[in-house]
Amino acid sequence: KQEVTQIPAALSVPEGENLVLNCSFTDSAIYNLQWFRQDPGKGLTSLLLIQSSQREQTSGRLNASLDKSSGRSTLYIAASQPGDSATYLCAVGGNTGFQKLVFGTGTRLLVSP
Amino acid sequence: EPEVTQTPSHQVTQMGQEVILRCVPISNHLYFYWYRQILGQKVEFLVSFYNNEISEKSEIFDDQFSVERPDGSNFTLKIRSTKLEDSAMYFCASSVGTLAGITGELFFGEGSRLTVL
Repeated sequence: KQEVTQIPAALSVPEGENLVLNCSFTDSAIYNLQWFRQDPGKGLTSLLLIQSSQREQTSGRLNASLDKSSGRSTLYIAASQPGDSATYLCAVGGNTGFQKLVFGTGTRLLVSP
Repeated sequence: EPEVTQTPSHQVTQMGQEVILRCVPISNHLYFYWYRQILGQKVEFLVSFYNNEISEKSEIFDDQFSVERPDGSNFTLKIRSTKLEDSAMYFCASSVGTLAGITGELFFGEGSRLTVL
């Protein structure tokens, strides 16, 4: 059974810092991995999708990497801003066509001005 | 930009009552999903739906739950007789698909918060 873990559980940084969020998963037979952002009481916003054959994806200040064999992904946020404050969720898609995602518990990020 | 829309945003119901949560997936998407998030816990998969039938469901999705695509645009989740432990945020999601090289990226709605008293 796939288990997804995210560390740290919470992170507080001053504005402008570069930071790394970590995600690990127990079963490397994945189809893809998605990073989401969740604001309090809100839905999930897709940030980046990495296919299992890819090593990384970039979108603006965000860069996600995937090391499938070691069961790890990182989300790198450059030059953090207060608007980046949210919970970041990692979700792993299983090796089927139906994209059942298994989510981690998330990292709660606070960026202070 | 196309988005998944969900109604209601918040519903309060008495234990034992039936609840229907509604979703309008993105129009060209073929796969539809329901997930839920109990307060303070992980987002959990409930069910996936493709070609007018359930393709996968979790152990949470027991006989009290059902899904339906009553027309070409709506996708509903019905809970027949709600329990206290059904209180959660329910998220609908859709994706284009994962066949023939399509990405399989899931897009989520804003959620329906269900409170069972």
